[in-house]
Amino acid sequence: NAGVTQTPKFQVLKTGQSMTLQCAQDMNHEYMSWYRQDPGMGLRLIHYSVGAGITDQGEVPNGYNVSRSTTEDFPLRLLSAAPSQTSVYFCASTPTGVETQYFGPGTRLLVL
Amino acid sequence: EDKVVQSPLSLVVHEGDTVTLNCSYEVTNFRSLLWYKQEKKAPTFLFMLTSSGIEKKSGRLSSILDKKELFSILNITATQTGDSAVYLCAVVYGSSNTGKLIFGQGTTLQVKP
Repeated sequence: NAGVTQTPKFQVLKTGQSMTLQCAQDMNHEYMSWYRQDPGMGLRLIHYSVGAGITDQGEVPNGYNVSRSTTEDFPLRLLSAAPSQTSVYFCASTPTGVETQYFGPGTRLLVL
Repeated sequence: EDKVVQSPLSLVVHEGDTVTLNCSYEVTNFRSLLWYKQEKKAPTFLFMLTSSGIEKKSGRLSSILDKKELFSILNITATQTGDSAVYLCAVVYGSSNTGKLIFGQGTTLQVKP
């Protein structure tokens, strides 16, 4: 098992550009989520999904879109990047409740 | 508003010292409290606490939850430089099958030789 994988590891964007952060897991987990981590802020939930075809908003969803067409993949889309979206993004998955989340290695995003 | 607050935000100690990290919370439909260690990468799980007064222990680390006073502490005894990290507290809450997670700001611990 590769666990939870995220690509890219690091990305630089210009304001207004769009991009997709990829997240995949090979553990057949139903629940997947995206967090962002800013200095001094801990992790904040952006969006989550309880299964293919089902997504919902978390604490800070504005500026981000998600979709869940398969159990394995949960991409996070930035439609028009802003400097405020400079952060480290973590994807996580769990077979049951969020108590047992497996985190990916993270994607560091810099928006200029 | 649901919130989790950790203190102190940062801490510098010397090897061999004992440290206590604090986590207080106010959430609706509390389910459990989690502690993570983060060393420049993804958080790694330390403890899950669901019942008051029952200490969880792993080596030099231990943690306890007080559901009446709404807080938890994480103790690290005989600290080592390898304990230097950000320690995150998170609370699972909500009524859905999976629950939601809210994190505190984290405590940055630096252990000097």
